[in-house]
Amino acid sequence: GESVGLHLPTLSVQEGDNSIINCAYSNSASDYFIWYKQESGKGPQFIIDIRSNMDKRQGQRVTVLLNKTVKHLSLQIAATQPGDSAVYFCAELKAAGNKLTFGGGTRVLVKP
Amino acid sequence: GAGVSQSPRYKVAKRGQDVALRCDPISGHVSLFWYQQALGQGPEFLTYFQNEAQLDKSGLPSDRFFAERPEGSVSTLKIQRTQQEDSAVYLCASSPSGQGYNEQFFGPGTRLTVL
Repeated sequence: GESVGLHLPTLSVQEGDNSIINCAYSNSASDYFIWYKQESGKGPQFIIDIRSNMDKRQGQRVTVLLNKTVKHLSLQIAATQPGDSAVYFCAELKAAGNKLTFGGGTRVLVKP
Repeated sequence: GAGVSQSPRYKVAKRGQDVALRCDPISGHVSLFWYQQALGQGPEFLTYFQNEAQLDKSGLPSDRFFAERPEGSVSTLKIQRTQQEDSAVYLCASSPSGQGYNEQFFGPGTRLTVL
């Protein structure tokens, strides 16, 4: 099948361990930051978002942390499962414009 | 329920041919976006519609790229005189509203290969 990213940085993680994926963003004027998951042959799928006036947000098995001082965003996945294997992208958005600006992706490989 | 659909899923074109890529957004969604994704990279914004109005086309790489959404639902991205550098996955996304922040729902993409 198709491969979303052949030359992306890769994070290998043992099933059941926690994963941390990092992203540096560029636009300090962005209103929202979003994490997307993309499996081979599919479009990006929304995971979680965080507004720029927050520093942490939790979802089901996922936590997003935002550090505006150093323009850094991270996604933590608890108890990583084989179904979490995919490429993960961070994206930023200004609400007025509505267009997403994606960062570079990270491939996550979950080892059984 | 039905998500965003795109057709064709795969398109092979000879250099110089024109191509048309179709996007069917989620029914009732006001906003529609096109993105281009090169291999190994994140999607890059091409253009944005709110209903039938094209409000932002700042990401279209050249005047060979043209998008339309004449009735505010289905959209077509047309690329004229395709070049090898046009080879990429073209993603369509839709969102419910045209105001403020809304989650964008992506289709599976059309993979265009220009020979």
